[in-house]
Amino acid sequence: AQKITQTQPGMFVQEKEAVTLDCTYDTSDPSYGLFWYKQPSSGEMIFLIYQGSYDQQNATEGRYSLNFQKARKSANLVISASQLGDSAMYFCAMREINTGNQFYFGTGTSLTVIP
Amino acid sequence: DTAVSQTPKYLVTQMGNDKSIKCEQNLGHDTMYWYKQDSKKFLKIMFSYNNKELIINETVPNRFSPKSPDKAHLNLHINSLELGDSAVYFCASSQDLGQGSGRYEKLFFGSGTQLSVL
Repeated sequence: AQKITQTQPGMFVQEKEAVTLDCTYDTSDPSYGLFWYKQPSSGEMIFLIYQGSYDQQNATEGRYSLNFQKARKSANLVISASQLGDSAMYFCAMREINTGNQFYFGTGTSLTVIP
Repeated sequence: DTAVSQTPKYLVTQMGNDKSIKCEQNLGHDTMYWYKQDSKKFLKIMFSYNNKELIINETVPNRFSPKSPDKAHLNLHINSLELGDSAVYFCASSQDLGQGSGRYEKLFFGSGTQLSVL
């Protein structure tokens, strides 16, 4: 079974609008961490946001927030007020307590921001 | 200072050649990784390594071998390169914060090496 599933290969959003990128995960561990990365066309991997499984509140970092629904095993990334520079690939990832050094990545979502 | 640096950024070579990609991290992390990103942008773990354990993804051909002279370096050596090896290779590092912490350190990536096998 896939550890991380991103079901949206491509997404479009109008500039200044909000967009949600979906991520579901599969784990039986009680403790884990969830991450989102951005990969622009220049190729580098940029860390955006982190959510721990025991965190009581949803993580936020500027225009990025993580909609964490533990019972549904989803960790969707919300980008508010989209900008042209947000056009990129976005990857969801997970790290589990029982495989502490392993990171599992989803297949990514390509986001295009339309002016 | 770059946290995770890898060289070269671009590598163009002929089929059958042997090549190495170097990676260094100055973060004091105990675990380093190599990922392969194919043309569809899928990130595949190849190896993870700390001073105790090398974990090899079983799907990685044995033509690929990690070499770690010390904790801060994890180089990738590739023998007998094939056309299908063309991809972007990322080095990364992270720290195991310990199971009791409930926290997980993120993965720090290098800038990637674009390997083209002709």
